[in-house]
Amino acid sequence: GAVVSQHPSRVICKSGTSVKIECRSLDFQATTMFWYRQFPKQSLMLMATSNEGSKATYEQGVEKDKFLINHASLTLSTLTVTSAHPEDSSFYICSAHDLNTEAFFGQGTRLTVV
Amino acid sequence: GDSVTQMEGPVTLSEEAFLTINCTYTATGYPSLFWYVQYPGEGLQLLLKATKADDKGSNKGFEATYRKETTSFHLEKGSVQVSDSAVYFCALSSRGGGGNKLTFGTGTQLKVEL
Repeated sequence: GAVVSQHPSRVICKSGTSVKIECRSLDFQATTMFWYRQFPKQSLMLMATSNEGSKATYEQGVEKDKFLINHASLTLSTLTVTSAHPEDSSFYICSAHDLNTEAFFGQGTRLTVV
Repeated sequence: GDSVTQMEGPVTLSEEAFLTINCTYTATGYPSLFWYVQYPGEGLQLLLKATKADDKGSNKGFEATYRKETTSFHLEKGSVQVSDSAVYFCALSSRGGGGNKLTFGTGTQLKVEL
């Protein structure tokens, strides 16, 4: 199946700093990517829909200025957590889609803010 | 809105035992239904899917039948193995395809022991 690579897999950062997470579709063009957040023992919560060449669509309650999403090409979307705080510590997962394909998920990024 | 409810875990079974993980959903229209599996330290992988009522999805010995009358998509396997230990997520796509955002259940952790 198709491969989606997410980097880094783990990151520890200090409060107040920003962290960038990359999501790449390695062998197909992804017109749409989704970013999810997963809390311990809870489901994946959709944060935003990232469309190539246009602004991301954020779900209700997600701060767009805090979670910056850029989808500059058909193979790359980035999520930047700005001015991170301990409550932002979580597992972030991306998925990549083409118009007619199933969702392919990245490996996830474990963010710890200290 | 759309929602997915699945049984809480963790579920602990002995090898070769029968597995059932219940999943029910609420959605408008006719959603597609999915089971995803997340092995430790990895992203989600599609396990099986069904796109219309009475369809049966199957893969690696797992199967689930789309039951519109009971709005259910229960996951079953006749004989589990230690390697099946993972977290299983039930999900739906309300537009009926894989290229749209998914609504997930909370996940059920399965632990299979010798």
